[in-house]
Amino acid sequence: EAGVAQSPRYKIIEKRQSVAFWCNPISGHATLYWYQQILGQGPKLLIQFQNNGVVDDSQLPKDRFSAERLKGVDSTLKIQPAKLEDSAVYLCASSLVGGRNTGELFFGEGSRLTVL
Amino acid sequence: GNSVTQMEGPVTLSEEAFLTINCTYTATGYPSLFWYVQYPGEGLQLLLKATKADDKGSNKGFEATYRKETTSFHLEKGSVQVSDSAVYFCALSGNFGNEKLTFGTGTRLTIIP
Repeated sequence: EAGVAQSPRYKIIEKRQSVAFWCNPISGHATLYWYQQILGQGPKLLIQFQNNGVVDDSQLPKDRFSAERLKGVDSTLKIQPAKLEDSAVYLCASSLVGGRNTGELFFGEGSRLTVL
Repeated sequence: GNSVTQMEGPVTLSEEAFLTINCTYTATGYPSLFWYVQYPGEGLQLLLKATKADDKGSNKGFEATYRKETTSFHLEKGSVQVSDSAVYFCALSGNFGNEKLTFGTGTRLTIIP
């Protein structure tokens, strides 16, 4: 079974530029998450999708970050304009729907962003 | 809100030593608890989980017991190997079908031969 695919693996940009990250979840997983992992910290949820709909985006900086999940499969996370503090690894994860507290998320390898 | 407090690292042990990484949590209701591991150059992966009080999760020689009375989920292994070197994250998920994970800050473990 193919895992969660993310691209690009690495990106270096200058502040105020824009960047986009792509994620393809495991086939059949209805729930998709984007996490931000800053060096030395645990992952922090940015946004959670259930199929096409947003379940939780309370910690997404909406003035500069946006995300979409078209057709309930692939997802794109965009940052525009980027700030120095956006330097982090952006993790995509997916999970099956259903089952109380199954909680098992499957993570991609992440996209490492460096903002100069 | 939910939160996880994890033992700060880094932790360095000799091979075959006993390992404990402490984790305590704050949550309402009945969360599920997890340990995720991130090996060098790889993505996060689930190591073990426990979904109710007194459950013990185990995998690859690691164990953790869900202690509701102390709100803890400490990770243990009796004899660590060099291949266990990684970053370990404690996490919890909300109840009532909310699978959003809240993570601790992670503990970097290095095992020396």
